[in-house]
This record gives sequence, structure tokens and C-alpha cells, in this order.
Amino acid sequence: DAGVTQSPTHLIKTRGQQVTLRCSPKSGHDTVSWYQQALGQGPQFIFQYYEEEERQRGNFPDRFSGHQFPNYSSELNVNALLLGDSALYLCASSLAWRGQGMGEQFFGPGTRLTVL
Amino acid sequence: KNQVEQSPQSLIILEGKNCTLQCNYTVSPFSNLRWYKQDTGRGPVSLTIMTFSENTKSNGRYTATLDADTKQSSLHITASQLSDSASYICVVSINTNAGKSTFGDGTTLTVKP
Repeated sequence: DAGVTQSPTHLIKTRGQQVTLRCSPKSGHDTVSWYQQALGQGPQFIFQYYEEEERQRGNFPDRFSGHQFPNYSSELNVNALLLGDSALYLCASSLAWRGQGMGEQFFGPGTRLTVL
Repeated sequence: KNQVEQSPQSLIILEGKNCTLQCNYTVSPFSNLRWYKQDTGRGPVSLTIMTFSENTKSNGRYTATLDADTKQSSLHITASQLSDSASYICVVSINTNAGKSTFGDGTTLTVKP
């Protein structure tokens, strides 16, 4: 049973460019959450997708957007990249409890984004 | 503002020794507290989860404690191994939704031979 997978592993971009990161959830999971983790800090919640819709959002600008596909996989898009967007981007999947939140989150290995 | 403070920021110990990591939080209301282990460049992996009514939970050589009254938790690692070298992150949630969790900045543990 494959766990959460993310691609690419590493990515280098320049300021102003756009980037798309991808995540495949753990088998049986239907909810995907994205986190940004700067070096030496804990993960910061970006947003969560369930049933192909953004259900929750953290304190991130509109430059950060996402999508969830019918097979539950998800993408994170970041436009107009800034130097400060350099971080490890983590995807976590879980199984939603109907109307009552979600079960345990399982994290992927992350995508290391470097903005030059 | 909900906050999670972890101490120490970093710690170096010799293989075979024990250590204790601290987590203080101001998150309210409280639903649960998790400790995660994060190896360098990898995603966090859950070690323990405790709810309000639990004050201790073990997972092998890892034992977490929770004092909900003082809003403090600790993670005790016994007989440390080189593979314990990692960042340990405390996460406090007000409910089971991802957006309602507050992550600490972690304690970086280095175990030396």
C-alpha cells in the first residue's frame, strides 16, 4: 500500500515564475491538506481539499491556489513566486469523518522549492 | 492567539542516553495533542496522540505525557539510538480539522555515538 507521494522532489524556480506541485494521497483517503514548512520552523497550514473543493484555508495569499481531482490527487499552484516562498511543501492525506472532521493525517515526503 | 512553544530548540545527546523534550501551548479549546518525528527532508510521522483525558501514552521507547491543566506536554525518549536524530514536532488541535491545528517549531535532536 503506497503512502502519500509527492512530485517533484526538488524544484528550482526564479522570482515571478509559477510552480505546480503534485500529491497523491494514501490509498483510501479522500482529503488532502497542504503545508508550507520554512527551514527550522513547523509546518504552516495552507489549505485543505475535500470533494474537489477547498474546505479550509490558512493565512496565505491568493497566489496560492489548488485543485483536487476525482481520484483525490491534488495540486498546489503558486504564482508570482517570491524569495520567501522557498520552503518544503508538505502534502498530508486523511479520511474525512462525515460532518465531524477527519482521521489521522499521513504526510508525504515533501517537495523542496527553492526560489532564486 | 493559539501558540505552541517547544524547548529546547536543539539538543545533543550520546547514544544510549535518555532525554525529554517539552511542549507548552496556549491553544484553546483543546481537542488533542500529537508528537511527530520528522527526519531531515522528510514528512512528519506521528508518534503519539493524546486527548484531554489521557495523561500518558507510550510508543516503544517514546513516552508522551500531558498535563491539560498547565497546558504542558513532554516527550521522553529512552535508550536513544542514532536513528532518533530528527526534529520532534508538537501539534495541538482544537478539533479534528487540519486548519485548526497549531504546530510548534520543533526540537532538533542529535544523537551521537
